[in-house]
Amino acid sequence: SQQGEEDPQALSIQEGENATMNCSYKTSINNLQWYRQNSGRGLVHLILIRSNEREKHSGRLRVTLDTSKKSSSLLITASRAADTASYFCATDQNFNKFYFGSGTKLNVKP
Amino acid sequence: SQTIHQWPATLVQPVGSPLSLECTVEGTSNPNLYWYRQAAGRGLQLLFYSVGIGQISSEVPQNLSASRPQDRQFILSSKKLLLSDSGFYLCAWKPGLALDEQFFGPGTRLTVL
Repeated sequence: SQQGEEDPQALSIQEGENATMNCSYKTSINNLQWYRQNSGRGLVHLILIRSNEREKHSGRLRVTLDTSKKSSSLLITASRAADTASYFCATDQNFNKFYFGSGTKLNVKP
Repeated sequence: SQTIHQWPATLVQPVGSPLSLECTVEGTSNPNLYWYRQAAGRGLQLLFYSVGIGQISSEVPQNLSASRPQDRQFILSSKKLLLSDSGFYLCAWKPGLALDEQFFGPGTRLTVL
């Protein structure tokens, strides 16, 4: 399976701390995306990183990609209680199909 | 702007009953369309995707089927529901031929009793 896998499965931090989540995948990809899901809701796209990129920033988000290790990390800096959600990475087999990991459940305590 | 709709939002069905979930997209043309299922506390499993009218690719053999009768309409069906069909069903779209993000609908929570 090409499905990405996130690590850790759950993460609990205090507001203001940084949160780091990791994603590993098995085969070559064109791009890797991170999504966020609030409980019982649809997913919201956070950031996309292409296979020829190594790092990307968007506001308080920083994503890295290491294609040699087939891994990516998502860093949320200065976390807020509103960041509490599940975070998923998704990889594409071609430009049409996407595979999601099982997610990291982040709890940010106020 | 583009919007994606799913209905119903919640559904409780008995085992053996049929199923029809609908997804429609507005504000775009020729999108790629996707059906995912999410078990409680788990990740998303790709069920079907479509790159055009009448074109359906199935990812996992199962009790479900999908159809795309119109460019912006995607339907998930079953003739006879199983207990294991319970879950959160998400529809998504993305611009065809684009290296781009997917946009998700609000989801349908299906409980099979």
